[in-house]
Amino acid sequence: EIVLTQSPGTLSLSPGERATLSCRTSQSVTSSYLTWYHQKPGQAPRLLIYGASNRATGIPGRFSGSGSGTDFTLTITRLEPEDFAVYYCQHYATTPPFGQGTRLEIK
Amino acid sequence: QVHLVQSGAEVRKPGASVKVSCKASGYRFINYGLSWVRQAPGQGLEWMGWISAYVGKAKNTQNFQGRLTMTTDTSTNTAYMELRSLRSDDTAVYYCARDRFNGSYYFGMDVWGHGTTVTVSS
Repeated sequence: EIVLTQSPGTLSLSPGERATLSCRTSQSVTSSYLTWYHQKPGQAPRLLIYGASNRATGIPGRFSGSGSGTDFTLTITRLEPEDFAVYYCQHYATTPPFGQGTRLEIK
Repeated sequence: QVHLVQSGAEVRKPGASVKVSCKASGYRFINYGLSWVRQAPGQGLEWMGWISAYVGKAKNTQNFQGRLTMTTDTSTNTAYMELRSLRSDDTAVYYCARDRFNGSYYFGMDVWGHGTTVTVSS
């Protein structure tokens, strides 16, 4: 069983700052299967990144994904107020496929 | 526009069953799969399973021990998720989400339904 571990659990930053979120897998995984989502309270999740580094339709350029093997990163440059949410990584064909989430909160 | 519209909130007693629908519009239904994801109050995302809208082939996590059935109706572009022998810890928001895998690339869950709240309580 491959486990996805996200860190930190909570990240406190101010608008305009840079956020770096980590997703580590317990075994090397296929990058093309790695996705990122965020979820705001009371809303469904939204796809941000697929294939580890490809922005989904309509996602602003301040969001970027990178990584390979066991270490993947979601970076948000210049945080906007609407970016404060919970972020999840997911790996297709892994059970369970979602990490536990990182809460990005306003400092 | 692409939409997934789910059925309304449900309340069930322990031991009962619930069937949630997810009606797709704005795209060719059979070209995609549908995942079901649930979220218990204050918790993270739990993937339940996936079904191919084209062939109806489904796969799901072993966590549901035969209690889960996913189906699709291509005549109405609707997917269904039925969960039986409900327990209190099945109380959650249930989401359907469109996704696609082409054999070598996973394009993620790019369209989500609004969620269906299922409450299991005696």
